[in-house]
Amino acid sequence: NAGVTQTPKFQVLKTGQSMTLQCAQDMNHEYMSWYRQDPGMGLRLIHYSVGAGITDQGEVPNGYNVSRSTTEDFPLRLLSAAPSQTSVYFCASSNAGTRRTPLHFGNGTRLTVT
Amino acid sequence: AQKITQTQPGMFVQEKEAVTLDCTYDTSDPSYGLFWYKQPSSGEMIFLIYQGSYDQQNATEGRYSLNFQKARKSANLVISASQLGDSAMYFCAMRLTRASTGGFKTIFGAGTRLFVKA
Repeated sequence: NAGVTQTPKFQVLKTGQSMTLQCAQDMNHEYMSWYRQDPGMGLRLIHYSVGAGITDQGEVPNGYNVSRSTTEDFPLRLLSAAPSQTSVYFCASSNAGTRRTPLHFGNGTRLTVT
Repeated sequence: AQKITQTQPGMFVQEKEAVTLDCTYDTSDPSYGLFWYKQPSSGEMIFLIYQGSYDQQNATEGRYSLNFQKARKSANLVISASQLGDSAMYFCAMRLTRASTGGFKTIFGAGTRLFVKA
């Protein structure tokens, strides 16, 4: 049981390049989300999804796109990378059935935009 | 506005002593959940404890307890008998219902870095 898998672990991009951060979970969780972690700012919610075909914006959605075509996958797309998007990105999932279920996190992707 | 506030960027505690990490939250939703997560230097996120907005008793999980004061909108984490392995970043989080999608979202505070001294 792999849990939440994020790829890649590290990525360096040049300004203006595009890329997709991958996130997959094998726990049949309805809820999936993306966060970015920056020093002094905690984890900020980028986008989230409560099921296949349903996505919503979080606190800092600008510059990022998501889609949820399957229960298992929730990729995060950067269309035109900017230095301000340098961060550590975490994908998290949980069972939507009960409010007390905690988030299960991936190991993170460290992204540097030069 | 929905917000989580952790006012202590860093805290020091002597090994074997208790420490309280502060968390206040702001929401007008009557139903919400409060969580604490630990992030060691290795980077993974570890769930510690949960408190529901309708729970009458404070949550406890081993050495962790949550001091829930609903009227004051605070959910402080208490770690008893601190250990060197407790040195980490600690995040308070709140799960809120999202009426537009029928789902929910979870937001986090800025975190408190705890240093346990031998």
